This record gives sequence, C-alpha cells and structure tokens, in this order.
Amino acid sequence: DAGVTQSPTHLIKTRGQQVTLRCSPKSGHDTVSWYQQALGQGPQFIFQYYEEEERQRGNFPDRFSGHQFPNYSSELNVNALLLGDSALYLCASSMWRSSSYNEQFFGPGTRLTVL
Amino acid sequence: GEDVEQSLFLSVREGDSSVINCTYTDSSSTYLYWYKQEPGAGLQLLTYIFSNMDMKQDQRLTVLLNKKDKHLSLRIADTQTGDSAIYFCAETANSGNTPLVFGKGTRLSVIA
Repeated sequence: DAGVTQSPTHLIKTRGQQVTLRCSPKSGHDTVSWYQQALGQGPQFIFQYYEEEERQRGNFPDRFSGHQFPNYSSELNVNALLLGDSALYLCASSMWRSSSYNEQFFGPGTRLTVL
Repeated sequence: GEDVEQSLFLSVREGDSSVINCTYTDSSSTYLYWYKQEPGAGLQLLTYIFSNMDMKQDQRLTVLLNKKDKHLSLRIADTQTGDSAIYFCAETANSGNTPLVFGKGTRLSVIA
C-alpha cells in the first residue's frame, strides 16, 4: 500500500499564475481533505471532497477550488497566485463516516513557492 | 471560534522525558490528537484520545487530558534524538468527517 501520494513535490510559480496540485488517497479511502501549512504555522483546512462533491470548506477565497475524480483522487487548483499562497499543501485521506474515530492519513505534501 | 494553543519550542536531553502541552477552546471537542512532523515530511499520527478519557498510554507516549481546563499534554519517555521534530496538537468536534483544527506546533529539540 503506497499510502497517500501527492505530486509534484515542489513547485515554483510567479504571482498571477495558476497551479494544480494532485493527490491520490490511501487504498480503500473515499474522502480527501486539503490543508495549507504556511511556514511556522499549523495546517489550515481548505476543503474536503467526498463523492466528487465539496462537502466542507474552510476560510479560503474562491481562488482555491478543487475536484475529486471517480477513482477518489483529487486536485487542488489555485488561481491568481499571491505571494501569501506560498506554503506546504497537505492532502489527507480517510473513510467517510458520520461518527466514531476515523484517522486521516496525510501525504508528504507539495511545497509551493510563489515569486 | 476554535483555537488550539501550544508553546513553540522545547529542548530536552537525550534520555529525559519530554512534556508538550496544548490548550484548546472548543468545549465540543470530541477527539484530540498528537501529530509528528519531521523535516520535509507530512504529518504522522502519534496518538489520540477520546474526550471521555483522562489518560492514554502507548509505549513511550502518555497523553493526559484535563477536560475541565481544556488542557492536553503529551509525555515522551526516554526521549531519543529521533524524536526531534515538530509536534502538533489537533482537535475535532466529531471525528470522521470533521476537519482537524491544529495548533502552531511545538518544535522539540533533543540534545545528545
């Protein structure tokens, strides 16, 4: 089992550009959540996808959008990049459940640098 | 809103015990977690505790929860140089689908 995988590992973009990050969940998982971790900060929740729909969203602008595919993999898109978007973007996968303990498994992250 | 606070740095000698503290504000927190992040890596779940528990022990790790004071601690016994990392406290109101709310992390440095 490869666990949660993310691509690319590193990415450098300039202000105003658009970026797409990719995530493949752990085998057997159907839910993908995205987090942004700025330097020196804890991860902040961006949004969560299940059954190809955005289920929950954190306090992020509409420039941040996503998609989930039938194979449960997911993409995070960021438009009109700002310097402040520079961060480590983490993907977490889990099983969709309404209650009880349910671990979220994290990928290694994509380091985005905006110049 | 929800908030999780941690001290930013901790330095201990190899072989000593480390205690990392965390406070949270959400009284509806159901699960509380400790994650470890090594340089250049993602987050690894170390342990968690359900809010109706006071203590949980897992090998070298002991988690204590004071629900009245909304205080969580992680004790690492016999700390090793491989324990050097950033430790994040996190909480969810209802695990499974609820997003994790993280603290800013405590950087643990272990001196040989």
